[in-house]
Amino acid sequence: DIQMTQSPSSLSASVGDRVTITCRASQSISRYLNWYQQKPGKAPKVLIYDASTVQSGVPTRFSGSGSGTDFTLTISSLQPEDFATYYCQESYTSPWTFGQGTKLEVK
Amino acid sequence: EVQLVESGGGLVEPGRSLRLSCTASGFTLGDYAMSWFRQTPGKGLEWVGVIRSRVYGGTIEYAASVKGRFTLSRDDSKSIAYLQMNSLETEDTAVYYCSRAVARRFDPWGQGTLVTVSS
Repeated sequence: DIQMTQSPSSLSASVGDRVTITCRASQSISRYLNWYQQKPGKAPKVLIYDASTVQSGVPTRFSGSGSGTDFTLTISSLQPEDFATYYCQESYTSPWTFGQGTKLEVK
Repeated sequence: EVQLVESGGGLVEPGRSLRLSCTASGFTLGDYAMSWFRQTPGKGLEWVGVIRSRVYGGTIEYAASVKGRFTLSRDDSKSIAYLQMNSLETEDTAVYYCSRAVARRFDPWGQGTLVTVSS
């Protein structure tokens, strides 16, 4: 199975900050990488797919980059509604594993 | 509006069975693969299995942790996907989600249903 490692595990930031979360795959996954946002008590919601394509309806402050084994999710200017947990997921091959999550908290 | 609603969760004793349902609306279930996931505080998000559409042969894959105990099925005429869970173990305690597979992403997800395996 492909192992996905996110960093950091938690992050404190303020409204207006630029935030970057990284995700590393244990082997090359080309650009088959998704990012999800999850708020407490809610289901995950896809933000980015194929490493850099923004899902329809997702604000343009969210962007993704990377290929091979190293990927990043960037939020250009944090908004209050962005404080949540973020997960990366490889979509290269089953069992489609997730990173352990990055909890974004208010500083 | 595209929507998925899970049902059937609850408290069950180890070794017993439970069937979860995932009711789809706003799209034609038969056109998509459907996947199940589960989430626990300790193990995070885990893919459970996928059942592909009839166009792709309806093939099914399972995570190693549930293979031989869980069974995915679908009734496209009723717009419902099912997860039959047998020989449940305490480690199967989790919130279970169904999701539609769109290309190589999963969207949307249902609201989740809690399964608690305990004596």
